[in-house]
Amino acid sequence: ETGVTQTPRHLVMGMTNKKSLKCEQHLGHNAMYWYKQSAKKPLELMFVYNFKEQTENNSVPSRFSPECPNSSHLFLHLHTLQPEDSALYLCASSQERTSGADEQFFGPGTRLTVL
Amino acid sequence: GQNIDQPTEMTATEGAIVQINCTYQTSGFNGLFWYQQHAGEAPTFLSYNVLDGLEEKGRFSSFLSRSKGYSYLLLKELQMKDSASYLCAALDSNYQLIWGAGTKLIIKP
Repeated sequence: ETGVTQTPRHLVMGMTNKKSLKCEQHLGHNAMYWYKQSAKKPLELMFVYNFKEQTENNSVPSRFSPECPNSSHLFLHLHTLQPEDSALYLCASSQERTSGADEQFFGPGTRLTVL
Repeated sequence: GQNIDQPTEMTATEGAIVQINCTYQTSGFNGLFWYQQHAGEAPTFLSYNVLDGLEEKGRFSSFLSRSKGYSYLLLKELQMKDSASYLCAALDSNYQLIWGAGTKLIIKP
């Protein structure tokens, strides 16, 4: 595997379900990000991890819970979601968070539909 | 507030040239990125400008004017594979990326 991978690519869940999204980066980066992408809207940064420590949480509802066990893996745990949470969830990585001019490498995303 | 403006959609003809504009208002500025995103795929990095001027990379060029809060992406010799969304993002003083909603570029034969 190369670059940034995400699983699953598509997910349909009911509002009472619990599911997890997985992201893995094979680039040796130290920063990882979760974004939400909705149609015709800017990318919304959700969470940032730098060297496994969460450095940013942009007022994300608690029904989204991130986990970063090491610098290569990032999870987003989902529970009791709402239909408006349906979107494309993108994972990205970069060399480090603090040197912000580094380009971010994105995974292909998980298309989430909440029924 | 911080804001990025770019056109929602543009149409161009194969073989032609197209310019996608982006204006930004941010708290401080540490550079501007352009990404390309094909439908159903990951955004991929195209360019980063932090100094005024034009940077050319093959068929793609990116321009920045810091005093005007303005950038554009210039695509030459358009090919059908250039049909994609183009995302503009500015880096603010806290190194936060402020994203635009993207410009969907449609290439017609």
